[in-house]
Amino acid sequence: GAVVSQHPSWVICKSGTSVKIECRSLDFQATTMFWYRQFPKQSLMLMATSNEGSKATYEQGVEKDKFLINHASLTLSTLTVTSAHPEDSSFYICSARIIAGWNTEAFFGQGTRLTVV
Amino acid sequence: AQTVTQSQPEMSVQEAETVTLSCTYDTSENNYYLFWYKQPPSRQMILVIRQEAYKQQNATENRFSVNFQKAAKSFSLKISDSQLGDTAMYFCAFIRSNFGNEKLTFGTGTRLTIIP
Repeated sequence: GAVVSQHPSWVICKSGTSVKIECRSLDFQATTMFWYRQFPKQSLMLMATSNEGSKATYEQGVEKDKFLINHASLTLSTLTVTSAHPEDSSFYICSARIIAGWNTEAFFGQGTRLTVV
Repeated sequence: AQTVTQSQPEMSVQEAETVTLSCTYDTSENNYYLFWYKQPPSRQMILVIRQEAYKQQNATENRFSVNFQKAAKSFSLKISDSQLGDTAMYFCAFIRSNFGNEKLTFGTGTRLTIIP
């Protein structure tokens, strides 16, 4: 089946630094990718929709200057958490969808656990 | 806007028993897709089963089956012969079309524990 690879799986960074998370679709092209944030024991919260070759669409309340998204190719989207603070510590997950005729299925990366100290 | 409701935050069942997780949703769309995703302790999201709203037949995947009641906007997941590996968070999800930029709407999840 289709695979979405997310890297790194976990990262620890100091307050004030930036962290980049990569999301790759390994065997299919994804014009659209999605970035989620998940707090402990909670559901996935959509942060933004990443569109290849254009600006990302951010959900209400998500700071676009803090969470920079770049979708430079059909197989790669990146999320950069800029000037990270402890409150940015969370689990971040990316997703890409395959659409074939009337069928659609979303595939998810392994997730990235970010800890800001 | 679409909403997805999972009214059971936690459930537990003995191994080999059958368990049903409930999900209701609200939409004005006629054609849409429904999913159940499993998130084990590894936190990798795994698709369990999918249902297209235009199909009347309930989807089944081995031990997993759904009871899709379109008029009632209900989409429950039945797990038969439950196994320890079924222990996970289960999320019901909705998407209103198969266009690429459509968003998945997730429920709040049900934490399922299979007891040995």
